[in-house]
Amino acid sequence: AQSVAQPEDQVNVAEGNPLTVKCTYSVSGNPYLFWYVQYPNRGLQFLLKYITGDNLVKGSYGFEAEFNKSQTSFHLKKPSALVSDSALYFCAVRKGSTGFQKLVFGTGTRLLVSP
Amino acid sequence: EPEVTQTPSHQVTQMGQEVILRCVPISNHLYFYWYRQILGQKVEFLVSFYNNEISEKSEIFDDQFSVERPDGSNFTLKIRSTKLEDSAMYFCASSVTASEAFFGQGTRLTVV
Repeated sequence: AQSVAQPEDQVNVAEGNPLTVKCTYSVSGNPYLFWYVQYPNRGLQFLLKYITGDNLVKGSYGFEAEFNKSQTSFHLKKPSALVSDSALYFCAVRKGSTGFQKLVFGTGTRLLVSP
Repeated sequence: EPEVTQTPSHQVTQMGQEVILRCVPISNHLYFYWYRQILGQKVEFLVSFYNNEISEKSEIFDDQFSVERPDGSNFTLKIRSTKLEDSAMYFCASSVTASEAFFGQGTRLTVV
């Protein structure tokens, strides 16, 4: 069965500094990987995905993530954090195949960007 | 930008009562889902719906739960007899293909 681990409950970073939110996954076969963000009292917003191709994927709001097959990781990054990036970030994985496959989410990492 | 909309945003119900959570998926989407998030826990898959039938459901989705697409736009989740442990944020999602899903803002269900 597929699973996702987000080892950090919280990440603190100063505004303007680079940020990394970690994610590792386990899935049989090729993974489809996703990052979602959740602002207070809001739903889950899609940030970016990796399906195939270039290991570095770019998404919304200046975020990017790097797929590393050997380390089974898909860390979320941003070169320069903004206070408005403070939110709860979820990594998710599904099996890479046609047809429906459920998303399996990690436990989430709270990102706090201080001014 | 099109979005998934859910109503109500917050529902309080007494234990044992039936609740219906409503969702309007993005109009050209074909796959529909319900997920839930118990406070402080991870987001969990409940059910997927495609071509007017359930394509997959989790062990959480027991006989107390049902889904329906009563017309061309709405997608509902019914809980027949709510329990305290059903208290959670329920997210509806939809997608064009079986790739990324777009989520609604959620309905917070509180069972008292």
